[in-house]
Amino acid sequence: DIQMTQSPSSLSASIGDRVTITCRASQSITTYLNWYQQKPGRAPKLLIFAASTLQSGVPSRFSGSGSGTDFTLTISSLQPEDFATYFCQQSYNSMWTFGQGTTVAIK
Amino acid sequence: EVQLVESGGGLVKPGGSLRLSCGTSGFKFKTYTMNWVRQAPGKGLEWVSSISGSTSYTYYADSVKGRFTISRDNAKNSLDLQMTSLRAEDTAVYYCARGGGLGDSWGQGTPVTVSS
Repeated sequence: DIQMTQSPSSLSASIGDRVTITCRASQSITTYLNWYQQKPGRAPKLLIFAASTLQSGVPSRFSGSGSGTDFTLTISSLQPEDFATYFCQQSYNSMWTFGQGTTVAIK
Repeated sequence: EVQLVESGGGLVKPGGSLRLSCGTSGFKFKTYTMNWVRQAPGKGLEWVSSISGSTSYTYYADSVKGRFTISRDNAKNSLDLQMTSLRAEDTAVYYCARGGGLGDSWGQGTPVTVSS
């Protein structure tokens, strides 16, 4: 199984801050890496797929980078609606695995 | 508009069975791999199972293999998950999600509680 490790597990930030979340795969997954945002009581929402492609309708302050085993999700200027939990997910094989999540809270 | 609506969740005793369904609309269902993903209370996301579009190849997480069965009815645009021998650790919200490589659309989830 491909293991996905996210860091940090939580962070506190202020409106306007630049936020970076990292995700590491236990083996190379090339760019088969997706990022989701989840708010309490809601289904996950796809933000970025193929490591760096922004899903339609997602604000441009979100960006993704990386390939192989190391990936990054960046929020360039944190907005009130961005306080949520973020998950990475590998789709290198048919059996998805997710990172454990990073909760972004208000400082 | 793409829509996925799960149903069938509820309270069941350990060892019991439950069948979840996901009704879909707004896209060509038979061309998409479909997935079940669950989330235990206060925990992260866990992929459970997937089924390919027209060929219906199936895949399962080790935690449910032999107990859960995924199926689809392309004529009815629906996805099912038959769950048997349920355990307390199967308690979760179960989501259906569209896509082979990425979950670009998700349902709202249906809660399953396994408790005596």
